[in-house]
Amino acid sequence: QVQLVESGGGLVKPGGSLRLSCAASGFRLSDYYMTWIRQAPGKGLEWLCNISGGSSWTNYADSVKGRFTISRDNGKNSLYVQMNSLRAEDTAVYYCVREAGSGPLKGMDVWGQGTTVTVSS
Amino acid sequence: QSVLTQPPSVSGAPGQRVTISCTGSSSNIGAGYDVHWYQQLPGRAPKLLLYINNNRPSGVPDRFSGSKSGTSASLAITGLQAEDEADYYCQSYDRSLSGYVFGGGTTVTVL
Repeated sequence: QVQLVESGGGLVKPGGSLRLSCAASGFRLSDYYMTWIRQAPGKGLEWLCNISGGSSWTNYADSVKGRFTISRDNGKNSLYVQMNSLRAEDTAVYYCVREAGSGPLKGMDVWGQGTTVTVSS
Repeated sequence: QSVLTQPPSVSGAPGQRVTISCTGSSSNIGAGYDVHWYQQLPGRAPKLLLYINNNRPSGVPDRFSGSKSGTSASLAITGLQAEDEADYYCQSYDRSLSGYVFGGGTTVTVL
């Protein structure tokens, strides 16, 4: 069935780096825009970045621009986000999300279970 | 503060109708961008509830409906059930921010 599974979360010190991965199954990854969204403890959802199916286009929220880099390997059915210069406020559950339809702006129809990132000394 | 404004909480008795508002501005909902709604059950990942304003994905009961007008949108739940207790989020695109935006979320409590 259609599924997204995140991995790579953990505890990291402020200023450190972490790379999250997302394994996709049950659909052709290259057909879809993909997105990372996070949710800080007890807070709402925050969109972070997304990437087109062929990786030609990426977009970032101001809160992570210059620190996070989204990428994908369609051959490996995988999505990634490289997170550098991490801050305490980056502590959150990070979700890998598929955007509905063949392009952006149509909603987000498949969500992973999330991976937890904790930034603390 | 969230770009899209939702009430923090709404409540209703079983069988009642509740609505959740999502207020934006001329750079997002008012600019014509569609609104999508998500349901997040306690301890779970969010799930797409309505897409493109009022369309239900397969499996979502027709008790859930959406509308959009001007700079606002709303989600209605009719025939409220205990299983509807969850957090609900609206989402759109903001052309000033050049990115997706979410409402702050609304907790629905079934009395």
